[in-house]
Amino acid sequence: GENVEQHPSTLSVQEGDSAVIKCTYSDSASNYFPWYKQELGKRPQLIIDIRSNVGEKKDQRIAVTLNKTAKHFSLHITETQPEDSAVYFCAASFGSGNTGKLIFGQGTTLQVKP
Amino acid sequence: KAGVTQTPRYLIKTRGQQVTLSCSPISGHRSVSWYQQTPGQGLQFLFEYFSETQRNKGNFPGRFSGRQFSNSRSEMNVSTLELGDSALYLCASSMDRGIQETQYFGPGTRLLVL
Repeated sequence: GENVEQHPSTLSVQEGDSAVIKCTYSDSASNYFPWYKQELGKRPQLIIDIRSNVGEKKDQRIAVTLNKTAKHFSLHITETQPEDSAVYFCAASFGSGNTGKLIFGQGTTLQVKP
Repeated sequence: KAGVTQTPRYLIKTRGQQVTLSCSPISGHRSVSWYQQTPGQGLQFLFEYFSETQRNKGNFPGRFSGRQFSNSRSEMNVSTLELGDSALYLCASSMDRGIQETQYFGPGTRLLVL
């Protein structure tokens, strides 16, 4: 079936530490993998995405890695700050061609302690 | 550019009623996807519309339907409401220029079914 598993469900780190969130997906045909950050009461906002023809992508303190063979991808946040505290969702595209069908993981609540 | 907008923002209905939610995409965006967000199930894909046609569908009952107009605005309808339909309904739009594009989310419509 169409499935994205995300771990851990909660993550607590000290300010300045790194945080890693991992996701696996079920369909080897998935080719687009975005990560969204959702603060309480707000809409999900894209923080980084990666396509299947790339193994790694970095944007300042945020990086995403993709292992197509193993069907998993990870979000890495370095030098965490209290404002990084939020729920993070990974997602994978499902369906043929250009598809607006994203299947989301269950989310990770990240708490960064000052 | 204005972001994705959704109306109404809040809605209270009773079981058995029906409801229509509206989504206006970012200007120039042609794809609109709808998601249901609940604490227990996370973000679940409902359907996607592109060029006034449903391009993808999730695993929701037929009570959930949608449509897209020629200006790319989209509506979703839920008939015979059940208590379990209480959720935040999010729409997301993307440009879709022949490749997988970023989905930008609206603020959501919070539906409470009593």
